[in-house]
Amino acid sequence: GAVVSQHPSWVICKSGTSVKIECRSLDFQATTMFWYRQFPKQSLMLMATSNEGSKATYEQGVEKDKFLINHASLTLSTLTVTSAHPEDSSFYICSAPVPTTGDGYTFGSGTRLTVV
Amino acid sequence: GESVGLHLPTLSVQEGDNSIINCAYSNSASDYFIWYKQESGKGPQFIIDIRSNMDKRQGQRVTVLLNKTVKHLSLQIAATQPGDSAVYFCAENIRRDDKIIFGKGTRLHILP
Repeated sequence: GAVVSQHPSWVICKSGTSVKIECRSLDFQATTMFWYRQFPKQSLMLMATSNEGSKATYEQGVEKDKFLINHASLTLSTLTVTSAHPEDSSFYICSAPVPTTGDGYTFGSGTRLTVV
Repeated sequence: GESVGLHLPTLSVQEGDNSIINCAYSNSASDYFIWYKQESGKGPQFIIDIRSNMDKRQGQRVTVLLNKTVKHLSLQIAATQPGDSAVYFCAENIRRDDKIIFGKGTRLHILP
């Protein structure tokens, strides 16, 4: 089936530094990638939608200059958390539509970001 | 509308009993609905989906019911097993390949 590989699975960084999270579609072309953030015991909140070759679309309230999204190829989308602060600590998950019918969307395994 | 960041409700079910998890969705224009299972520290796992032109769909041990009149979705799990312990989310989509919005989620706890 369609697989999205997400790395790293966890990362600890210092306040003020930047962290890049990668999502790769392994066996299909992902023209679209959705990025979600999930705080403990809460639901997944959509942050932005990236489209290969064009600018990402951000949800209301999400700072595009802080959460940089790049979708330079059909198999790779990246999210960079810039100037990270402790409140950015969260579980970040990517998702892509499955190109065949039936299975909807496939998700990465998530990245646990801790900012200290 | 967007999911509200509230803490997750918990449903406790005896092992072997049937579980029913409910979800209220927000957009009457949504035409595709998905149930996901999420275990701790992992990404969501697809369980079953349903389109708005249906009101019921069955999978292996799972059934999804859709009531468009009251914008309600439910997931029924038959003969609940310990491995079913997880958080379950419903998600709605207005058109295929567009963004999906997640519901609040319910934690399913299996009693021995």
